[in-house]
Amino acid sequence: KNEVEQSPQNLTAQEGEFITINCSYSVGISALHWLQQHPGGGIVSLFMLSSGKKKHGRLIATINIQEKHSSLHITASHPRDSAVYICAVSGSARQLTFGSGTQLTVLP
Amino acid sequence: NAGVTQTPKFQVLKTGQSMTLQCAQDMNHEYMSWYRQDPGMGLRLIHYSVGAGITDQGEVPNGYNVSRSTTEDFPLRLLSAAPSQTSVYFCASSYVQGGYGYTFGSGTRLTVV
Repeated sequence: KNEVEQSPQNLTAQEGEFITINCSYSVGISALHWLQQHPGGGIVSLFMLSSGKKKHGRLIATINIQEKHSSLHITASHPRDSAVYICAVSGSARQLTFGSGTQLTVLP
Repeated sequence: NAGVTQTPKFQVLKTGQSMTLQCAQDMNHEYMSWYRQDPGMGLRLIHYSVGAGITDQGEVPNGYNVSRSTTEDFPLRLLSAAPSQTSVYFCASSYVQGGYGYTFGSGTRLTVV
């Protein structure tokens, strides 16, 4: 069973700051997913990665397959970025194993 | 395009009652799955299906049943509700073929008293 660890568990930033959330996993995977969950809301898929780097707006996700590590970066953070960010990994069977999430609060 | 639709959004059950959480998707996804989310535990897989007529257990299947009679629908049944099943439940779907992300429903908050 894959173990997925996220850090930090909680993160408070000032508006405009550059934010990094980390994710590491224990066993080889077919893909890594970054998800966003707003308070009281559903879960939105941000990125799916199997190698390299992806960018969408102010969000950047990277993965290092050899080191079994991924990072999610938010540039020029904004209060609307406040949410729980969840890392999940999937193997060939498509089942997801989730990290426990990072609660991000961006203060104005 | 509705995506993944979960009903109900909220439910309160008494211990021992049964109920069905509904999940429907309109994206022709073969893979559908149910998760529960508990504070401090993260999301955990309950059951999943890779196509109509095919289901399998996930990490925490006890107390839950599923069936998949159509591609679109994947209901989750609580046979005899227990307080330990108080949780937020999410349904998600995807293509079986790798390279595609997952679409999640908006969740069902279940309280068992």
